[in-house]
Amino acid sequence: GDSVTQMEGPVTLSEEAFLTINCTYTATGYPSLFWYVQYPGEGLQLLLKATKADDKGSNKGFEATYRKETTSFHLEKGSVQVSDSAVYFCALTDSWGKLQFGAGTQVVVTP
Amino acid sequence: DAGVIQSPRHEVTEMGQEVTLRCKPISGHDYLFWYRQTMMRGLELLIYFNNNVPIDDSGMPEDRFSAKMPNASFSTLKIQPSEPRDSAVYFCATVGSDRNNQPQHFGDGTRLSIL
Repeated sequence: GDSVTQMEGPVTLSEEAFLTINCTYTATGYPSLFWYVQYPGEGLQLLLKATKADDKGSNKGFEATYRKETTSFHLEKGSVQVSDSAVYFCALTDSWGKLQFGAGTQVVVTP
Repeated sequence: DAGVIQSPRHEVTEMGQEVTLRCKPISGHDYLFWYRQTMMRGLELLIYFNNNVPIDDSGMPEDRFSAKMPNASFSTLKIQPSEPRDSAVYFCATVGSDRNNQPQHFGDGTRLSIL
């Protein structure tokens, strides 16, 4: 079945550092891809999405490009802030329209 | 837009008790999903509804769990009897008819502790 694999955390960075979280997927069709973010004590919020190959999603300085050839959707941010500390989930919609999530990557940004 | 509203935010109860979690979806959203989040298993889809009808309940762990959606504005997830291993954060999420391309909107969750 469809699945998502993302790098394990925690990832600890200093403020203004560059962040990359790797995400690869396995899917039979052409899924839409998402990054969600979860702040402590809150639900998941959509960070960005891409619905077809070569699309780039972007929001709040974060970017991810849908790479069909490498089945990847890596999340990047050029300069992180303490407020970016959260858990990040990569996800896809499978052929049934259900979200398949990766395990989540905790990011800790220190001042 | 009020977003997905879940209640209660926190629930602490003793094992054996009945627990009812509630969700009010975003108006106009056709699909409603119930998830459970734990450290050990991550996010698990329990059940989802389309136009108030349960479509896939294969993720419901046991007969102790049941979910209903009596109308487009309300859904419940019930656990009876509850057990300590049911302790988790339960999320409700909804999305419109284009569920393949549009993101699901999540509530803030119910943190359930069974003693």
